[in-house]
Amino acid sequence: RKEVEQDPGPFNVPEGATVAFNCTYSNSASQSFFWYRQDCRKEPKLLMSVYSSGNEDGRFTAQLNRASQYISLLIRDSKLSDSATYLCVVNPQISGGSYIPTFGRGTSLIVHP
Amino acid sequence: EPEVTQTPSHQVTQMGQEVILRCVPISNHLYFYWYRQILGQKVEFLVSFYNNEISEKSEIFDDQFSVERPDGSNFTLKIRSTKLEDSAMYFCASSPRNEQYFGPGTRLTVT
Repeated sequence: RKEVEQDPGPFNVPEGATVAFNCTYSNSASQSFFWYRQDCRKEPKLLMSVYSSGNEDGRFTAQLNRASQYISLLIRDSKLSDSATYLCVVNPQISGGSYIPTFGRGTSLIVHP
Repeated sequence: EPEVTQTPSHQVTQMGQEVILRCVPISNHLYFYWYRQILGQKVEFLVSFYNNEISEKSEIFDDQFSVERPDGSNFTLKIRSTKLEDSAMYFCASSPRNEQYFGPGTRLTVT
């Protein structure tokens, strides 16, 4: 089983739509979780951390379900500029308190007029 | 806003040559990372660095790779004898603890 799995998409949505992405992870010892966005041939940019209680930042809402080992990202009122690949990142803790950040392959979002 | 910077932006080298990729992390960050991303594939962890030593490394980070923090600002990745399959985008990232901030990357092309 892959460590971090995401539906590659693409998700093709009109402007103004609400879209949701899920990400599942296999390591139950994972301690911290993030969503990044990556534009074509650019570096990943931190979108938001994902907290156990769920968190919201403007049009973006992230949730964590530890029991089912998945995290989600909801984007409301999609903008053309939201078109990008969304990367799920999980930090499974290993001995000594360090961790190896593990990336999913990303979900591609295309927002069209 | 402070940024991670990387040089060069593009490096072309011949197979078997040594390359050094350079990164300047955000100044008050404590944790530093190197990743690679082969075109069309996912971001892969190479190595993490904390307190002037390697804290974790992946199976990709074999003996041909090394990292250094030669002074208080630069963080370098050296590939001793490049192979064709080392062609990829190499990203440096720095972190105050958990959230990572990536540099713009160095595109390495091995011919």
